Amino acid sequence: GAGVSQSPSNKVTEKGKDVELRCDPISGHTALYWYRQSLGQGLEFLIYFQGNSAPDKSGLPSDRFSAERTGGSVSTLTIQRTQQEDSAVYLCASSVVTGETQYFGPGTRLTVL
Amino acid sequence: AQTVTQSQPEMSVQEAETVTLSCTYDTSENNYYLFWYKQPPSRQMILVIRQEAYKQQNATENRFSVNFQKAAKSFSLKISDSQLGDTAMYFCAFGGSNYKLTFGKGTLLTVNP
Repeated sequence: GAGVSQSPSNKVTEKGKDVELRCDPISGHTALYWYRQSLGQGLEFLIYFQGNSAPDKSGLPSDRFSAERTGGSVSTLTIQRTQQEDSAVYLCASSVVTGETQYFGPGTRLTVL
Repeated sequence: AQTVTQSQPEMSVQEAETVTLSCTYDTSENNYYLFWYKQPPSRQMILVIRQEAYKQQNATENRFSVNFQKAAKSFSLKISDSQLGDTAMYFCAFGGSNYKLTFGKGTLLTVNP
């Protein structure tokens, strides 16, 4: 079937605006993960979902970041009042269950001007 | 906390030759997974190979194989018969009991014609 999809592919926004990033996991995958990839920090874990609940939010950098997942499927990552340091590639992954192999989407490149 | 170290920021190899990418990790866990992911310029993170820590046998996927040394906490990737399409950033990743992946900084591999 189809892989993990993410939208938009690229997003350019102005500092202070809110953005929403979307992730569509592989059908049937119950676990979903968000990571951030930036030049200075490498790949960082942000949050994961098992079903619709998020047992581990430890990686969210600040309270401007939030995420939700509905219907055990699509997830949105919201960044409020974006800052230039939020510029990065945001990667989403899914797995059949937590702990199993994670399959990644193509990412969303966020640029905050 | 787990750490993953890739000591080779960049490597190059001639087409059809063999190359080995290094990875070491640190953990106090006994049961875990190790992964190599490939990220070409398209940005898509692609699973190359996976190793379960409880398995003594090294994983193999076509031209890709690993040398897993659990006691030494070493997990190297060997690419045989290198192809131009193997040019990419390669990430070593650790997956433990907390479900998130911890990544190394990556090794940029260039395959030269």
